[in-house]
Amino acid sequence: GQQLNQSPQSMFIQEGEDVSMNCTSSSIFNTWLWYKQDPGEGPVLLIALYKAGELTSNGRLTAQFGITRKDSFLNISASIPSDVGIYFCAGRMDSNYQLIWGAGTKLIIKP
Amino acid sequence: EPEVTQTPSHQVTQMGQEVILRCVPISNHLYFYWYRQILGQKVEFLVSFYNNEISEKSEIFDDQFSVERPDGSNFTLKIRSTKLEDSAMYFCAGTGMWSYEQYFGPGTRLTVT
Repeated sequence: GQQLNQSPQSMFIQEGEDVSMNCTSSSIFNTWLWYKQDPGEGPVLLIALYKAGELTSNGRLTAQFGITRKDSFLNISASIPSDVGIYFCAGRMDSNYQLIWGAGTKLIIKP
Repeated sequence: EPEVTQTPSHQVTQMGQEVILRCVPISNHLYFYWYRQILGQKVEFLVSFYNNEISEKSEIFDDQFSVERPDGSNFTLKIRSTKLEDSAMYFCAGTGMWSYEQYFGPGTRLTVT
């Protein structure tokens, strides 16, 4: 089946640093969604992207829909302790309702 | 702000037993989904549901699984005869018309012993 390759798998950063993560696929997607999941909770939608090349911000978070429609990027600026968690990309293809998920990027902030 | 709710938060059951997981989607949502997430792994699509019919289902959603929206409010996932490998978090999600943004509930942790 279709797969999304999300990287990095985990990140250890200092508070205040910027963070970048991405998802790539060999397939074309028409929607990219970025979610954050805290332990024991459901994924929370952060940003939705619908057009190739689209750049969308939500506070300190910025995500981009790659122009090839096969990738997406999420950046977090000036990280704070509450940013810790697992970030997932999810993509929707033209013909499907379902979301296909990346494996997640675990963000850990070093004290 | 409206939220998706799921009950129970944790269900422990013995192998071979039937379980029903319940979800109350956001009231104006029209498309509904079930996903599962095995501990430490990625979220996996199970099924989508629209207009009282299954729209799509994955290979995971075999004959042991069923969904229904019995009263226009609750959206349920039934597993007829649970297996050990069904142990996972199960998430319900929904979207409104003209939207692809899926909003998730807090999940039900299913433990099969």
